[in-house]
Amino acid sequence: KNEVEQSPQNLTAQEGEFITINCSYSVGISALHWLQQHPGGGIVSLFMLSSGKKKHGRLIATINIQEKHSSLHITASHPRDSAVYICASRINSGGSNYKLTFGKGTLLTVNP
Amino acid sequence: DVKVTQSSRYLVKRTGEKVFLECVQDMDHENMFWYRQDPGLGLRLIYFSYDVKMKEKGDIPEGYSVSREKKERFSLILESASTNQTSMYLCASSVRGQPNYGYTFGSGTRLTVV
Repeated sequence: KNEVEQSPQNLTAQEGEFITINCSYSVGISALHWLQQHPGGGIVSLFMLSSGKKKHGRLIATINIQEKHSSLHITASHPRDSAVYICASRINSGGSNYKLTFGKGTLLTVNP
Repeated sequence: DVKVTQSSRYLVKRTGEKVFLECVQDMDHENMFWYRQDPGLGLRLIYFSYDVKMKEKGDIPEGYSVSREKKERFSLILESASTNQTSMYLCASSVRGQPNYGYTFGSGTRLTVV
């Protein structure tokens, strides 16, 4: 059974700080997703990774397949980055079935 | 802009009522999913569908059913709502056969059963 663990659960930072959120998973996967959820509920997909590193603006996501670990980094954090960040792994179980297993999320608060 | 639209942001229903949560996507995606999200538990899969009229149970299907009569619409049905179904419900869709494709999520429906 695939399990996804995120750390930390809660993170408070000052504006401008460099932030790292970690995600570990227990079985081999076909892809790992990083999602962002603002208060109010809607979820936005930030990255999907199967290897290496991806960058979008101030956000960077990396994955180490051998160690079954991924990190989300935010450079020069800003209060508008305050949200819940969720990682989710996908095992391609064949057919049309691309299920995600989610971590419990990291609540990030960036203070001005 | 591509979208997954959930019909209601907030819903309050009484115990025992039959409740319909609607989700519509305009991306011609084959896969559609219903999740519920609870504090401390994260997102859990209730049901998913990979084609019209096709469905599979997720991790927590008890007390729920689904309907997919058209490709763009996936409905979640609470046959007889109970207070333990008070939760945030999220719909998502994705392309079938494209493992490098992402998921698109709706804005969520916060359901309160009283």
